[in-house]
Amino acid sequence: DVKVTQSSRYLVKRTGEKVFLECVQDMDHENMFWYRQDPGLGLRLIYFSYDVKMKEKGDIPEGYSVSREKKERFSLILESASTNQTSMYLCASSLMSGRNEQFFGPGTRLTVL
Amino acid sequence: QKEVEQDPGPLSVPEGAIVSLNCTYSNSAFQYFMWYRQYSRKGPELLMYTYSSGNKEDGRFTAQVDKSSKYISLFIRDSQPSDSATYLCAMNVGDYKLSFGAGTTVTVRA
Repeated sequence: DVKVTQSSRYLVKRTGEKVFLECVQDMDHENMFWYRQDPGLGLRLIYFSYDVKMKEKGDIPEGYSVSREKKERFSLILESASTNQTSMYLCASSLMSGRNEQFFGPGTRLTVL
Repeated sequence: QKEVEQDPGPLSVPEGAIVSLNCTYSNSAFQYFMWYRQYSRKGPELLMYTYSSGNKEDGRFTAQVDKSSKYISLFIRDSQPSDSATYLCAMNVGDYKLSFGAGTTVTVRA
């Protein structure tokens, strides 16, 4: 079974703090994704990576950065957290080819006070 | 206008009822259509996958795609309380990016 794990289920941070969210997948998938999920807005893509050290901006990259130093690990960084970044953050992975099915982690509920 | 439109509900049905969910989309290049199920406080998991137009059945679940109308549906027969979840449609043109609907929250009452 594909397994995508995220470092924290719940996180509470203060405005201005630097926040790291980590994601690890164990199926040797090339693609990894970070989404945020908000009520009524669905899933919105923040960043995408198709290979180690490669990244592409998604639909809402502002205020975020990412790092992919190893194939299995993809980190999302909030350089200076703000209250409007309070959200559910979901990591996903997929193979480069095939039917593009994305496998999701359990999510991190981030609250910025 | 969003690329994928999905009524967020919520939808509440009695156990045993048929649940009908749907999405409309604007991009005629979409070829791959998926339904994800997301239980509370969990990540989405793939439920159904369809390529191009037509129907696909898997147990109590049926997915339909009508590309001419840009409309996809998911039907759940003999619904169970364990089907209570948020259902998200997703679609893509064949590359890495999935376009998601907002999700419909379904509650099946025992």
